[in-house]
Amino acid sequence: ETGVTQSPTHLIKTRGQQVTLRCSSQSGHNTVSWYQQALGQGPQFIFQYYREEENGRGNFPPRFSGLQFPNYSSELNVNALELDDSALYLCASSMGRAEGAFFGQGTRLTVV
Amino acid sequence: LAKTTQPISMDSYEGQEVNITCSHNNIATNDYITWYQQFPSQGPRFIIQGYKTKVTNEVASLFIPADRKSSTLSLPRVSLSDTAVYYCLVGDRGYSTLTFGKGTMLLVSP
Repeated sequence: ETGVTQSPTHLIKTRGQQVTLRCSSQSGHNTVSWYQQALGQGPQFIFQYYREEENGRGNFPPRFSGLQFPNYSSELNVNALELDDSALYLCASSMGRAEGAFFGQGTRLTVV
Repeated sequence: LAKTTQPISMDSYEGQEVNITCSHNNIATNDYITWYQQFPSQGPRFIIQGYKTKVTNEVASLFIPADRKSSTLSLPRVSLSDTAVYYCLVGDRGYSTLTFGKGTMLLVSP
C-alpha cells in the first residue's frame, strides 16, 4: 500500500463525454503527477502539479486538464473523450522530486 | 532526457538469479538510475535507485559501471510473484518527471 488512492477504479464513458478522475496523494507529499498507460506500453507523463500549480506538461492536448487542491489531492479532467483515451490513468505523488514517487492503483477508463 | 534501452522480455525459473541490463548511453552528470516494477493493472512500484557503483536493498541490487552508460538490475532467487514488467528510468533528482520506456517483461516459471 502506497497511501495514494485513486477513484474510481474502473469507468466506462461514451465518446464525446467528459470525465473526472481523482487522486489523493500520500500524506506529506506536495507534488502529484498524472500518467496515461495504454495497453502494452509504459506510462506516459501527462502533467504535474506542485503546490496547486502546473509544474510541467507532457505531449497531451488541452482537453486534458488538471487541478490540485490545498490538501494536495488532485483531479484529472478529460473533455471530448476519444476512443484512444481508453487507458489506465495513474497518479503518482512525491515530495517535489521525481525519485521515490509512489503510484496509486490507477483508474481504468474505457471509452466506447 | 536520456533514452533507455532494455530487453523486451526475459524468461527465468524459480530460484534463479535474474539480471536485467539497461543501456543509457546519453546519461547526464546529474541523472540517477531508477528501476520500477509493475504488475498488471497496478501502478509501478519503486524498486531501487542509484548513481554509481553498487546499491543493494532488501529486494534487489543495482550495478552501475564507472562510465554509467548502462546499469544492471539483479533480482536474487526469483519467485513466481516476481513475474512483472520492469522499467529502467534515467533522470535528475530535481522537479523532473518520470519517463518510462516499454520495460522488460520478466516471466518466472516453476
